[in-house]
Amino acid sequence: DGGITQSPKYLFRKEGQNVTLSCEQNLNHDAMYWYRQDPGQGLRLIYYSQIVNDFQKGDIAEGYSVSREKKESFPLTVTSAQKNPTAFYLCASSLKRGRETQYFGPGTRLLVL
Amino acid sequence: AQTVTQSQPEMSVQEAETVTLSCTYDTSESDYYLFWYKQPPSRQMILVIRQEAYKQQNATENRFSVNFQKAAKSFSLKISDSQLGDAAMYFCAYRSAYNQGGKLIFGQGTELSVKP
Repeated sequence: DGGITQSPKYLFRKEGQNVTLSCEQNLNHDAMYWYRQDPGQGLRLIYYSQIVNDFQKGDIAEGYSVSREKKESFPLTVTSAQKNPTAFYLCASSLKRGRETQYFGPGTRLLVL
Repeated sequence: AQTVTQSQPEMSVQEAETVTLSCTYDTSESDYYLFWYKQPPSRQMILVIRQEAYKQQNATENRFSVNFQKAAKSFSLKISDSQLGDAAMYFCAYRSAYNQGGKLIFGQGTELSVKP
């Protein structure tokens, strides 16, 4: 089946630990995005990538890092510098940069121990 | 900067009835896209409907339709013949047509409950 997969579904982070959230798509989409959702709020953009080996900061990039080594994959690392990482993280992709509809993965819930 | 506002945190509708969710936005751009996404309890974001700003005709998708008023910067969603499966959080979103990375700007959401 074509689509966007995110893993794990739930992730627990200890203080001072870096954790990586996986996002994979087999839709042959060019652009990929990471959003953060806090309770009772809409989504906010963390990072985005329009082509392989290139990515840009979004509105709330501090404490996060990404890579885009393959077209299908866009992992997000939540570093120890992110002081309030508890949130729901959604990955999205779109066919062409700037003009196409974004489709979302099922999300990862990150909790701090 | 563009903003999106959903002024109704919660709405309720009787099954089989019609409900309208409100959304207003602020932008100085002339070319953009507007979306309604649905987020059920599973929390996956599902596209409901999309509207291009340059199109005067309102978009429709089966029981879902929009009332796009460009001058008023209003973009409401009408759900006809409401079903129990329509219960979810609904988000209005804006996307510039210019190369800003395709960022979606979301409203705060409206939680819709459907009464049997």
